[in-house]
Amino acid sequence: EIVLTQSPGTLSLSPGERATLSCRASQSVGSRYLAWYQQKPGQAPRLLIYGASSRATGVPDRFSGSGSGAYFTLTITRLEPDDFAVYYCQQCGPLPPITFGQGTRLEIK
Amino acid sequence: QVQLVQSGGEVKKPGASVKVSCKTSGYRFDNYGITWVRQAPGQGLEWMGWISTDNGNARYTQRFQGRVIMTIDTSATTAYMEVRSLRSDDTAMYYCARVLSSGWPDWGQGTLVTVSS
Repeated sequence: EIVLTQSPGTLSLSPGERATLSCRASQSVGSRYLAWYQQKPGQAPRLLIYGASSRATGVPDRFSGSGSGAYFTLTITRLEPDDFAVYYCQQCGPLPPITFGQGTRLEIK
Repeated sequence: QVQLVQSGGEVKKPGASVKVSCKTSGYRFDNYGITWVRQAPGQGLEWMGWISTDNGNARYTQRFQGRVIMTIDTSATTAYMEVRSLRSDDTAMYYCARVLSSGWPDWGQGTLVTVSS
């Protein structure tokens, strides 16, 4: 099973600042299999990034994903109040099990 | 538009079973698989398994093997997930999601299953 470790656990920033979230895998993950999700309290997760760097439909270009191998990053430029949430990375293949990172909580400073 | 609507919350006693439904609409049901994810209170996301809506074949993560059954009703464009022998640590929000090659963009609203004596 591929274990994903996200850092930091909590990130405290102000609106307008830049957020950098990391996801490290216990073994190499094909870029096409790495996704990022945003989750707000009481809501289902929302797909932000798939294939490590492709934005899902409707996702603002303030969100960008990068990385390869075992190291991936989600960057959010110019944070807006609506961006404060929990973010999860996910690896989904090619073989099961699919796994998620433990999440990074992005909170308003 | 694509919609996945899940059944309502359930309260069950330890040892019982629960079956959650995921009614889909807005797309061809048998073109995309359905996956199930659960989230215990205050915890992260845990993948449970996936079912092909083409042939009904399901794949489960090892910890749920033998205790979770995923099924589909193609005529009703609905997927189901049953958990047997419920324990208190099965208390969680259960989500279904549509599986695309480009991620999981469409999710149900979640079904809260509470296991309590």
